[in-house]
Amino acid sequence: DTAVSQTPKYLVTQMGNDKSIKCEQNLGHDTMYWYKQDSKKFLKIMFSYNNKELIINETVPNRFSPKSPDKAHLNLHINSLELGDSAVYFCASSQYLGGAGETQYFGPGTRLLVL
Amino acid sequence: ILNVEQSPQSLHVQEGDSTNFTCSFPSSNFYALHWYRWETAKSPEALFVMTLNGDEKKKGRISATLNTKEGYSYLYIKGSQPEDSATYLCAFRTGTASKLTFGTGTRLQVTL
Repeated sequence: DTAVSQTPKYLVTQMGNDKSIKCEQNLGHDTMYWYKQDSKKFLKIMFSYNNKELIINETVPNRFSPKSPDKAHLNLHINSLELGDSAVYFCASSQYLGGAGETQYFGPGTRLLVL
Repeated sequence: ILNVEQSPQSLHVQEGDSTNFTCSFPSSNFYALHWYRWETAKSPEALFVMTLNGDEKKKGRISATLNTKEGYSYLYIKGSQPEDSATYLCAFRTGTASKLTFGTGTRLQVTL
């Protein structure tokens, strides 16, 4: 069983479209995250949710909106896609928020290409 | 802005060689330092989480040390194998609800 899963794995779309990426974790974790791997290969945090509550919201355009229907799911909606949104997006989860020794478990990534 | 730097950027070693990489991070407001192993086309996989100055962690042939006062961590691989080929990422946290700030990684390639 995949611990953290993302769908789709690949997403090719036109500029201006609206798309969603889904993330599910079956680890029973309380906290989930979205990261973006940028062109320089940095992994940068976008959002973090703890028990469906938004905890971290980095400087991300308003076109990006996370939604957490329950603590096992954290979806990422992107409106009016732009060329610069092309990247690999990773979902992650951790057991709880705050423990110094807490480990984050990553999904396989979604490769988004905006044409 | 937190700077987490890793060196070298890439490394090519022969099977059986031992190697090490460095992660440098701000020495103030230290909370935790993570090491991840990231194989191409796979998810980053947690190796170690280190929280105390002087911590040493070991997992098989891989070990790591931590110096929070001077702001660095070393990752060591003893007797490298081709399956060790991956990018090794470190990530730094400053507090309870803080984000992980990742370095760009050290890409290791081990050849026969």
